[in-house]
Amino acid sequence: QKEVEQDPGPLSVPEGAIVSLNCTYSNSAFQYFMWYRQYSRKGPELLMYTYSSGNKEDGRFTAQVDKSSKYISLFIRDSQPSDSATYLCAMSVDNYGQNFVFGPGTRLSVLP
Amino acid sequence: KAGVTQTPRYLIKTRGQQVTLSCSPISGHRSVSWYQQTPGQGLQFLFEYFSETQRNKGNFPGRFSGRQFSNSRSEMNVSTLELGDSALYLCASSVDNNVDTQYFGPGTRLTVL
Repeated sequence: QKEVEQDPGPLSVPEGAIVSLNCTYSNSAFQYFMWYRQYSRKGPELLMYTYSSGNKEDGRFTAQVDKSSKYISLFIRDSQPSDSATYLCAMSVDNYGQNFVFGPGTRLSVLP
Repeated sequence: KAGVTQTPRYLIKTRGQQVTLSCSPISGHRSVSWYQQTPGQGLQFLFEYFSETQRNKGNFPGRFSGRQFSNSRSEMNVSTLELGDSALYLCASSVDNNVDTQYFGPGTRLTVL
């Protein structure tokens, strides 16, 4: 079993839909959770960064962490074609780059 | 503010050759990290440099090496290339290796034939 699991997709949704992206993990010591967006031929871009459990909202994006279930989610409201990208989850016991474990990414297509 | 730049963007090499990739961090960022991204393994940490010193190293063989210059620019070298080294190599810079201040470059796509 991999330390971080993520459905690779692809996931196709119509414009305006609510998108739910998820990751599960096995290490209960993880405290820092992140979501990255990666467009084709670009590097990952940090979207959401959360510490411990709970929700965090930023515009159309909401990140949820459920440590009891070892499950994190990213919700995208009113999805747009410009949201079409690969979404990577990442998590760690601390805030230092070398310790982050990344999921394989979910490819999302938002169709106009 | 200019972002992280990486050169070259694309490279094609043959097995056994060596390659050097370059990364220029965001101005003022002293930490530079390198990652390898492949479809099978995802994003994996290679190493991190800070003030010209390698501070952290991932689980990669010694064929993968790097260095950092006094202006924080960094290079990564892979010797004796193998087919499995084909990947997107990403550089990320930050003030001090804190992920919430880390910015990635566009990557160098290396293909080994």
